[in-house]
Amino acid sequence: DAGVTQSPTHLIKTRGQHVTLRCSPISGHKSVSWYQQVLGQGPQFIFQYYEKEERGRGNFPDRFSARQFPNYSSELNVNALLLGDSALYLCASSLDVAALKGNEQFFGPGTRLTVL
Amino acid sequence: DAKTTQPPSMDCAEGRAANLPCNHSTISGNEYVYWYRQIHSQGPQYIIHGLKNNETNEMASLIITEDRKSSTLILPHATLRDTAVYYCIVDNNAGNMLTFGGGTRLMVKP
Repeated sequence: DAGVTQSPTHLIKTRGQHVTLRCSPISGHKSVSWYQQVLGQGPQFIFQYYEKEERGRGNFPDRFSARQFPNYSSELNVNALLLGDSALYLCASSLDVAALKGNEQFFGPGTRLTVL
Repeated sequence: DAKTTQPPSMDCAEGRAANLPCNHSTISGNEYVYWYRQIHSQGPQYIIHGLKNNETNEMASLIITEDRKSSTLILPHATLRDTAVYYCIVDNNAGNMLTFGGGTRLMVKP
């Protein structure tokens, strides 16, 4: 069974550029979440999507946006890149978003973004 | 705001039980306790979660105190491959919008 896949694995951009990161969830999973992990810190929640709708947003500027497609894959877009956007970007998928019901997330290997 | 407090690092001898503590004194009634780990250069890996009762799976056991203000993750027979950063997280959003803190860096030594 394929796990969560992300592309590209590594990316180098310069300040001011924009970037699109892609994620394919595990087959059957309808929820996708995005996280940013700066070196030496724990992952920070950016977005959660379920059935193509944004269900949650973390404390990130409007330069960050995302969307989910009918096949449940997702894209994370970052505009006007800053040096501080350099990080590992992680995508996670889960079965559902059932309120008050715990469920596990499966994380992909991440995309390493370097902004020069 | 960190909802959990964990020791920054711990050592454990290979083959022994690793007991990782976590304080979550402000946990609310509908928040679950989740444990994830992250091995170097990989994405986090789910270990276990619970609400009130103790839980066990093939990877670990989760012991939650009766007042739910703290919990302990137990790896019964630690191996070198268990060396990782372990994150304790409390969440009431079905586990989809996790707030990771600093975690505990567990070093399993031969």
